[in-house]
Amino acid sequence: NAGVTQTPKFRVLKTGQSMTLLCAQDMNHEYMYWYRQDPGMGLRLIHYSVGEGTTAKGEVPDGYNVSRLKKQNFLLGLESAAPSQTSVYFCASSYSASLDRDNEQFFGPGTRLTVL
Amino acid sequence: GQNIDQPTEMTATEGAIVQINCTYQTSGFNGLFWYQQHAGEAPTFLSYNVLDGLEEKGRFSSFLSRSKGYSYLLLKELQMKDSASYLCAVTNYGGSQGNLIFGKGTKLSVKP
Repeated sequence: NAGVTQTPKFRVLKTGQSMTLLCAQDMNHEYMYWYRQDPGMGLRLIHYSVGEGTTAKGEVPDGYNVSRLKKQNFLLGLESAAPSQTSVYFCASSYSASLDRDNEQFFGPGTRLTVL
Repeated sequence: GQNIDQPTEMTATEGAIVQINCTYQTSGFNGLFWYQQHAGEAPTFLSYNVLDGLEEKGRFSSFLSRSKGYSYLLLKELQMKDSASYLCAVTNYGGSQGNLIFGKGTKLSVKP
């Protein structure tokens, strides 16, 4: 199993450009999450999905959109990138909402995004 | 409100023991996770506590006191490869979402 994979690994955008980050998991997990990680801020939840076709806002959703058209994929879109969106983006997945030692969140390797 | 506090940085010596503390205040609590994150890599699961007490797994142990809103991660026989950030995260169930609230992480540097 590949686990959780993310595409691309690195990207540089200019202000105002758009892009989509792809997350894929092969563990048949229902729940998927998008986080951003900034120095001194820790991991913050952007959006999450509790199943195919459903999405919900997290702590910092502004400027991002998401879609979960297939159970194994969770897409994060930036419609008009801003320098404040320079960050490392992590995708994660879990089997269900009842997180414990047998059902933790698995993280992808991250995407480093720079917006100039 | 929700708040998770842990020290920003710690330094320890190879072979020693180090304790990383985490205090939390959340409106709902259903368990606490510790994750390890090496620089430039993804967080990986270390431990989970839901009941008061100590959970031991090899060189790593994690403790929880629910009444005090307090946890610590204990690393024994430190190795250079333990240099990483350690993230404390609390499960917070509002409805059915399995969300985690993360602290800002503690960067541990292990010196020879």
